[in-house]
Amino acid sequence: GAVVSQHPSRVICKSGTSVKIECRSLDFQATTMFWYRQFPKQSLMLMATSNEGSKATYEQGVEKDKFLINHASLTLSTLTVTSAHPEDSSFYICSATHRIRGTEAFFGQGTRLTVV
Amino acid sequence: QKEVEQNSGPLSVPEGAIASLNCTYSDRVSQSFFWYRQYSGKSPELIMSIYSNGDKEDGRFTAQLNKASQYVSLLIRDSQPSDSATYLCAVKSGNAGNMLTFGGGTRLMVKP
Repeated sequence: GAVVSQHPSRVICKSGTSVKIECRSLDFQATTMFWYRQFPKQSLMLMATSNEGSKATYEQGVEKDKFLINHASLTLSTLTVTSAHPEDSSFYICSATHRIRGTEAFFGQGTRLTVV
Repeated sequence: QKEVEQNSGPLSVPEGAIASLNCTYSDRVSQSFFWYRQYSGKSPELIMSIYSNGDKEDGRFTAQLNKASQYVSLLIRDSQPSDSATYLCAVKSGNAGNMLTFGGGTRLMVKP
């Protein structure tokens, strides 16, 4: 159990377009989902915390109007990178914590975004 | 000062040896500790969690926690080349909801 599915795994888009990434908890309800971004050879950087039915909490330095997060249900959160630029190219990863167990975080497979 | 610190490595060990990975944290009220393994280009995979002082063993992996010293470690016995990856230490504070704070990761290389 505790499977988190992230889609797409890879995406290439043109500068100025928007890209939506989905994160689903397949066999559990997730109280909270987290969005991270990771540059090559660096650790995970938390971008925002997403709670079902409420606005996301963004980390300092992360533009909320550029990285739109929607957490419409206990099993789905989406991250939309708006007006993407080449510097947005990165590995984006979501994680979810179990609504009841709430201790361990389970990660999606990650999305490799390349903006050309 | 970083909240969770790890030596970036690389830590190189021969096949069959014990690999020892270390992590220190600054928040004394931290309650939950996790080790994740991340292969290049992949997302992190949970391998161990530990919540109380002492050792916790799972197969070839042993996690050790010392809250007084604010120190958590991961031992990998009989290291295999397939263990070569980056190991991320993560800490959950009792005051931060479900948010994990990650260390920078230690890159482990197991040489055949």
